[in-house]
Amino acid sequence: KQEVTQIPAALSVPEGENLVLNCSFTDSAIYNLQWFRQDPGKGLTSLLLIQSSQREQTSGRLNASLDKSSGRSTLYIAASQPGDSATYLCAVPRYGGSQGNLIFGKGTKLSVKP
Amino acid sequence: NAGVTQTPKFRVLKTGQSMTLLCAQDMNHEYMYWYRQDPGMGLRLIHYSVGEGTTAKGEVPDGYNVSRLKKQNFLLGLESAAPSQTSVYFCASSPPGQGLPAEAFFGQGTRLTVV
Repeated sequence: KQEVTQIPAALSVPEGENLVLNCSFTDSAIYNLQWFRQDPGKGLTSLLLIQSSQREQTSGRLNASLDKSSGRSTLYIAASQPGDSATYLCAVPRYGGSQGNLIFGKGTKLSVKP
Repeated sequence: NAGVTQTPKFRVLKTGQSMTLLCAQDMNHEYMYWYRQDPGMGLRLIHYSVGEGTTAKGEVPDGYNVSRLKKQNFLLGLESAAPSQTSVYFCASSPPGQGLPAEAFFGQGTRLTVV
C-alpha cells in the first residue's frame, strides 16, 4: 500500500533563506508526483507536477525534483518570502487510478519570518 | 475563470440532519472527486466519478452518497450527519488518463461542523 510521508511537519525560517521540503513515498511505481500549496482556510493550489520520466520541474523560485528509485521528492524554494508561508502538500496518484485519485502526505507547514 | 466551485463554503448541522454539498467545474473534466481533510489525517478520498452517470467508492465512503447527473456537477450527500463527519470537504476535477501531464484542480473547500 502506497504511503506518502512529509518531514518535517513544520518549518520556520527567516526571510531570504533557501529551503528544502521533503516528500517520500513507499511504492516507486508512480506516474507522477504533484506539489500543492494550501493557505489557511483555503483550497489547494497546484504548484508543480513532475512526470515519472522527469527529474526536475521549475516554476519561478520553486524547483521540484523526483527520484523514483529512492522514493523521494524535494521542493526547493529559493530566497523565501513571508508570502511563501503556507502548508505544502505532496501527492501521488493511487496506482491504477486517475490523476485526481491521489494519496497525500500530511504536509509541511512553512512559516517565513520577516 | 471559475475552475472548481463548491457550495456552500460553511455549514453547521445538527446530528441526524441531512445536506448536500455541490461541486461544479467549468473545465470540461471527465473525472471528479470528493475528499475530506482532517487534522492529523491529511486528505482522504471519499468518492469519485470517472464520467457522467458513474460513481465509485474511495478510501472513506461510509456515511456519504454521491451523484453525477451532469458532467459539470458532482454532489456529495450526507443522509444522517454525525459529529465524526465534521471536516473540511474538498472537491477536485481532472482530465482522464493515467500518467499524462494533467493536473488535478481543487475547489476552495466546505467547512462542515456537525453538533
